[in-house]
Order: sequence, then structure tokens, then C-alpha cells
Amino acid sequence: KNQVEQSPQSLIILEGKNCTLQCNYTVSPFSNLRWYKQDTGRGPVSLTIMTFSENTKSNGRYTATLDADTKQSSLHITASQLSDSASYICVVSEKKSSGDKLTFGTGTRLAVRP
Amino acid sequence: DTGVSQDPRHKITKRGQNVTFRCDPISEHNRLYWYRQTLGQGPEFLTYFQNEAQLEKSRLLSDRFSAERPKGSFSTLEIQRTEQGDSAMYLCASSLSPWDRRYYEQYFGPGTRLTVT
Repeated sequence: KNQVEQSPQSLIILEGKNCTLQCNYTVSPFSNLRWYKQDTGRGPVSLTIMTFSENTKSNGRYTATLDADTKQSSLHITASQLSDSASYICVVSEKKSSGDKLTFGTGTRLAVRP
Repeated sequence: DTGVSQDPRHKITKRGQNVTFRCDPISEHNRLYWYRQTLGQGPEFLTYFQNEAQLEKSRLLSDRFSAERPKGSFSTLEIQRTEQGDSAMYLCASSLSPWDRRYYEQYFGPGTRLTVT
């Protein structure tokens, strides 16, 4: 069964600090991996999408890494801001003939305190 | 606003009542997806459409659930005889078709939060 596991479940950091969120997956065959940010009561918003050949991808203060051999990904947030408080969801896409099928992790809930 | 929109944003209903949600995707997107998200969990796939054709349904989509996309544009998700276990956020997303190089990106709407009392 395809699974996506994220850690930690929740995290509290002080404004300005860095943090790293982890994602392990067993989805196969692999198509791509995505990180989404979801504010409370809102829909997820894409931060980055990584394919098999990409090891690192940055989007502003967000940097995602992918190790397709160990099936692990991380999302690093630099110089956190209060607005970074949200759930961060790792999503892994399974390649199918009809198009990709997404498996969502349960998310890491990040709280940034002043 | 050219993003995915959903209506209503919140719905409170009594157990046993029927409810219907609407999703308007991004206009050029052929694919439309429905997901359900319960508190503290990630979204779970329910069903998706390629234009007006419903191509896949999850086992989560019981007989009480029905989704339509009659003209290949907006979609509706109806839940009949609601149960307390149906309480969740219902998310809609849209994307281009797999043969478009921009396909990978799914854009989510704000969701409809359903509370069944």
C-alpha cells in the first residue's frame, strides 16, 4: 500500500529560526513529490514539485530536497516568519497510465512564535 | 479571481439531510478532483473527472455520494442522507490534462467545511 509519512507531527519554533520537516514514502512507481502549505481552514497551496532527477529545489525561503533512492524528502524553512505558521503536507505522485495519483501525508503542523 | 472556487464555504446540516457542494475550476483546466480532509489528516482522494467523464472513484465514495460535471466545467458533489462521519472539509482541485507539460500542478479551492449534527 502506498504511504507517505511525515515527521514531526507538530513543531513550535521562534520567529527567525530555521526548521526542517521530513517526509518518507513508499509510493511506487514514483512520478513526483510535492510540498504543499495549508493555512487553517484553507485549501493547500503548492510550494514545490520535484521529479525523480531533481535533488534540491528552492522557492524563496523554502528549500526541498529529494533522495529517490532512500525515498526521503525534506523541506527546510529559513528565517521563519509568523506567516509560515501552517500545516505542511508532503504529497507523492504515483505514475499511472491515466495520469498521476496523489498520496497525501498527514502533514506537519508548524507554529512560529514571536 | 481566476482560481478554483467552492460554494458554500461552510455548511451545517442535520443528520439525514442531503447536501450539495459546487466547485468551479480554473477555466482552462480539463481535470477536476474531489478530496475529503478530516481534522489533522491529509486530503483523501474521492473522485476525478476528465472533462465531463468521471474516470475514477475511490472506495471512500459510498453510494450516498454522487459527483457530476455535466458540461465539463463546474462540478457538484452531493451527499445523501448525511451521517455524522461525513463531517469534514471537502476540497476541490483542478489541473490540465496529463499531455500538457504543465500538468503536474493541481490547484486547490478553499474547501467546503461540512458539519453534520
